[in-house]
Amino acid sequence: DQQVKQNSPSLSVQEGRISILNCDYTNSMFDYFLWYKKYPAEGPTFLISISSIKDKNEDGRFTVFLNKSAKHLSLHIVPSQPGDSAVYFCAARDSGGSNYKLTFGKGTLLTVNP
Amino acid sequence: NAGVTQTPKFQVLKTGQSMTLQCAQDMNHNSMYWYRQDPGMGLRLIYYSASEGTTDKGEVPNGYNVSRLNKREFSLRLESAAPSQTSVYFCASSEGQFTQYFGPGTRLTVT
Repeated sequence: DQQVKQNSPSLSVQEGRISILNCDYTNSMFDYFLWYKKYPAEGPTFLISISSIKDKNEDGRFTVFLNKSAKHLSLHIVPSQPGDSAVYFCAARDSGGSNYKLTFGKGTLLTVNP
Repeated sequence: NAGVTQTPKFQVLKTGQSMTLQCAQDMNHNSMYWYRQDPGMGLRLIYYSASEGTTDKGEVPNGYNVSRLNKREFSLRLESAAPSQTSVYFCASSEGQFTQYFGPGTRLTVT
């Protein structure tokens, strides 16, 4: 039972264009969402997060949108740069269970072409 | 400030051997975690420690044990390694329920 789903295993975009990575979830008790970026042979690094009381959070080129009614969030990267090429993981925290556990999606490999 | 460090970076074991993966953090975080990452599977939680002196099972705890040695250190032990435990292991830490910060990983192969 996959509670956090990233249905696109990969995405390819041109440098300078927008990258949109999507994430769907099924657990209505999730109250906090995070995006992590992972380069090969490195650990995941925190990118941006959003609380369920908000519908948008922006940090520089990165914006996360949350649609609670659709149980959907997306990460927008504008403009995309070749250094953004990495695997992006969506993660969610369950407010009803242990507040320390995150559930991760399987990741989306983003390739930004020069 | 090194963040989260893990040793070793790489390890090859034979089936049935044991080993301990070490993790330390210097951010004074209360909570620590062990994950494994397998191709196409994302990150799955093995064990976590909400605070010093406590440990709890995650999604895939079978075949593993953990020790929260002190506030800084959280080790993961494989008592009898199996090929199914070939994976990349990540340690993470957080200040309570907020953002988790990850180490660089240990790549383990069990033959």
